[in-house]
Amino acid sequence: DSGVTQTPKHLITATGQRVTLRCSPRSGDLSVYWYQQSLDQGLQFLIHYYNGEERAKGNILERFSAQQFPDLHSELNLSSLELGDSALYFCASSVADRSSGNTIYFGEGSWLTVV
Amino acid sequence: AQSVAQPEDQVNVAEGNPLTVKCTYSVSGNPYLFWYVQYPNRGLQFLLKYITGDNLVKGSYGFEAEFNKSQTSFHLKKPSALVSDSALYFCAVMDSGNTPLVFGKGTRLSVIA
Repeated sequence: DSGVTQTPKHLITATGQRVTLRCSPRSGDLSVYWYQQSLDQGLQFLIHYYNGEERAKGNILERFSAQQFPDLHSELNLSSLELGDSALYFCASSVADRSSGNTIYFGEGSWLTVV
Repeated sequence: AQSVAQPEDQVNVAEGNPLTVKCTYSVSGNPYLFWYVQYPNRGLQFLLKYITGDNLVKGSYGFEAEFNKSQTSFHLKKPSALVSDSALYFCAVMDSGNTPLVFGKGTRLSVIA
């Protein structure tokens, strides 16, 4: 158990809908990262927050947004869902802000299926 | 921008034999290198990392990896494979700037009894 908690574990929804994925980082970790894992694209970095502030953006669609709350949990909002958004969404956390070699620990992921 | 290449989609090895999963990287600064393992329907589990120092890094479950700067490689190794090692292995890199962790495509390891 990495200590990173993600909910829900599985989610099935229809095209055009909106979903929210939730993540609680490891105790003491201030950084939260979101990744998308799909068969064709592999593991893609979406976004990084540190202590409530956005730090870096990757290949995140405009239909997707995220935030990190004062209690450090994070939410990834996916809207106007398309079939191609079906993927495993990972949250990860680490202690540090900038790249310093600190280990990034991953949750078990949220499986999203868009039908 | 940094990148990682895992040249083998699949590696098959007999139980008890040594295993190697290959990884090469490209970064503009000093590399921080990681290996993660993903078991079916599970998250990514951290195995080991290289930050600085000794080029041979030891990690969880008897795995080790060797950092080779001249060949820009960070191959994962284990002296004696177990059937339970069968999983998807990811190499990842970040550089010493403020960059995210970038993953390779993954290598599926199959250990046959």
